[in-house]
Amino acid sequence: AQSVSQHNHHVILSEAASLELGCNYSYGGTVNLFWYVQYPGQHLQLLLKYFSGDPLVKGIKGFEAEFIKSKFSFNLRKPSVQWSDTAEYFCAVNGARAAGNKLTFGGGTRVLVKP
Amino acid sequence: GAVVSQHPSRVICKSGTSVKIECRSLDFQATTMFWYRQFPKKSLMLMATSNEGSKATYEQGVEKDKFLINHASLTLSTLTVTSAHPEDSSFYICSARDLAGVTGELFFGEGSRLTVL
Repeated sequence: AQSVSQHNHHVILSEAASLELGCNYSYGGTVNLFWYVQYPGQHLQLLLKYFSGDPLVKGIKGFEAEFIKSKFSFNLRKPSVQWSDTAEYFCAVNGARAAGNKLTFGGGTRVLVKP
Repeated sequence: GAVVSQHPSRVICKSGTSVKIECRSLDFQATTMFWYRQFPKKSLMLMATSNEGSKATYEQGVEKDKFLINHASLTLSTLTVTSAHPEDSSFYICSARDLAGVTGELFFGEGSRLTVL
């Protein structure tokens, strides 16, 4: 079975600070990895995804994530956050050969960016 | 990107009644849709996988007789919460995978908030 762990439940930081959110997964085979964002009052949106190739993935709004296979990690980063980055962030994984390609989500990290 | 729409976005019902939530893929076809439940301050929990033209596959611990899923067409899946109770109050989210899109990429609906009085 696959599982996803996000280390931080809440993060508070000021504008222009750098952000890094941890994500570790547990799955024995090839995986597809995702970061989703849920802005207040809005539905989940895909930030970025990793299927194969370059382990450093760039997404929308200046976000990037690095897949480190040896550490089973897929941490999300942004060098300089803005107030509009206040949201909840979810890491998700699906085993590339898992039946139905079901996504398993981490517990989420609430990020509050103070102006 | 592709659009998934849910209806209603909010519903309040009395205990013991049934509520139907619709999930539509507006500009793509989806043989598979997923229903998630999001508890307050918690992550999304997969409830079931809805398969067009066949029975849904439920996750362990999800009562299939309580959460009826029908996937009658390539663009519509419905979740019916039968004999709802206050503990069924939650945020229900559906997602769908674009048949013509990249494997594993899901598009999410805006969610439906159910409140059972």
